[in-house]
Amino acid sequence: GEQVEQLPSILRVQEGSSASINCSYEDSASNYFPWYKQEPGENPKLIIDIRSNMERKQIQELIVLLDKKAKRFSLHITDTQPGDSAMYFCAARATGGNNKLTFGQGTVLSVIP
Amino acid sequence: NAGVIQTPRHKVTGKGQEATLWCEPISGHSAVFWYRQTIVQGLEFLTYFRNQAPIDDSGMPKERFSAQMPNQSHSTLKIQSTQPQDSAVYLCASSWGGDTQYFGPGTRLLVL
Repeated sequence: GEQVEQLPSILRVQEGSSASINCSYEDSASNYFPWYKQEPGENPKLIIDIRSNMERKQIQELIVLLDKKAKRFSLHITDTQPGDSAMYFCAARATGGNNKLTFGQGTVLSVIP
Repeated sequence: NAGVIQTPRHKVTGKGQEATLWCEPISGHSAVFWYRQTIVQGLEFLTYFRNQAPIDDSGMPKERFSAQMPNQSHSTLKIQSTQPQDSAVYLCASSWGGDTQYFGPGTRLLVL
């Protein structure tokens, strides 16, 4: 089945700088790549997603890039704020009628004021 | 819209006891997913229903875990003879068409 690797596991950045999280996947049939943000004690919340027919998507300070050839996708948070501190998960969904998501291991992002 | 509802939010059981977790998907969503989250394993897929029918249970430990969706408004995950290694946060998610999955608050299960 699909496997997703996510790096780094821990990321500390200064407020106002950019943060980047990288994920790679194995199944070339995967066609949907969501990113979730999870704060302590809370459920994961979708923050942005990208489908395989796109290479780049931006929602405000969030940018996701998808490189299908390399089977990699990434999340970039520009102008980070303390409120961006949380756990972030990438995920991939393969085609074939099964909509289950395979998640990366997560990245703990700390934005230092 | 209340979002995905999961009950109970916390459950403590003794080793060997049974635990039943409940999920109410967002109204109108046809797909329900169960995931398990631990520090060590991260977020793991357990099982998936579409229009109440079981589609994929490849993530379910076969012997003690079972899931059902008797109607479109709720799904249950049952763990028999619970073991300490079953301790985790069990997350239910629902989806309208299969893409965007909305997660519930989870049930934190602790097996002593």
